[in-house]
Amino acid sequence: QKEVEQNSGPLSVPEGAIASLNCTYSDRGSQSFFWYRQYSGKSPELIMFIYSNGDKEDGRFTAQLNKASQYVSLLIRDSQPSDSATYLCAVIGRSGYSTLTFGKGTMLLVSP
Amino acid sequence: GAVVSQHPSRVICKSGTSVKIECRSLDFQATTMFWYRQFPKKSLMLMATSNEGSKATYEQGVEKDKFLINHASLTLSTLTVTSAHPEDSSFYICSASHDLIAADTQYFGPGTRLTVL
Repeated sequence: QKEVEQNSGPLSVPEGAIASLNCTYSDRGSQSFFWYRQYSGKSPELIMFIYSNGDKEDGRFTAQLNKASQYVSLLIRDSQPSDSATYLCAVIGRSGYSTLTFGKGTMLLVSP
Repeated sequence: GAVVSQHPSRVICKSGTSVKIECRSLDFQATTMFWYRQFPKKSLMLMATSNEGSKATYEQGVEKDKFLINHASLTLSTLTVTSAHPEDSSFYICSASHDLIAADTQYFGPGTRLTVL
């Protein structure tokens, strides 16, 4: 059974701070890792994907992948109230069949 | 780029009727389309995966005769909820991917909120 685990939160940070969101996965052979943002009542919006160990930066967002430890994280620098949303971690396993397994998401609250 | 639309965005129907939801990739040809369902405060659950011109592959526990999926072209997939019941009320979201656009990446439509009375 493939599992993707996230702390449900809420994670509360003040405006301007760094928000750190973490995700672990059970399938050691997983190949592709994604972070989506979902506002209440809306569909997920892709933020970043990462395939290789290490860091990947895109604007205020940095994804970090450590396959040996089976975790992937998302850092949001200079957090804004508009970043308040649920962040979903999603993983594609080793099978090559492009189905995403989603975590339950972490709710982030950025206070002004 | 990689825009996916869904129609309708919201539908209310009576129990026993059928509802069709359309998912379109607007600026790319989708090799694969996915259908998800999300209940309040729950994560997305994959219902089925469809490739253009092929039968959909349904996840365990999803009734293929109740949730009919047609993927007739590279830009259109439809989900029909047949004989809908109140427990089918949910947020239905499609996504689309293409092998040549950041392989494996799924782009989501805005979702359809179904309420069955």
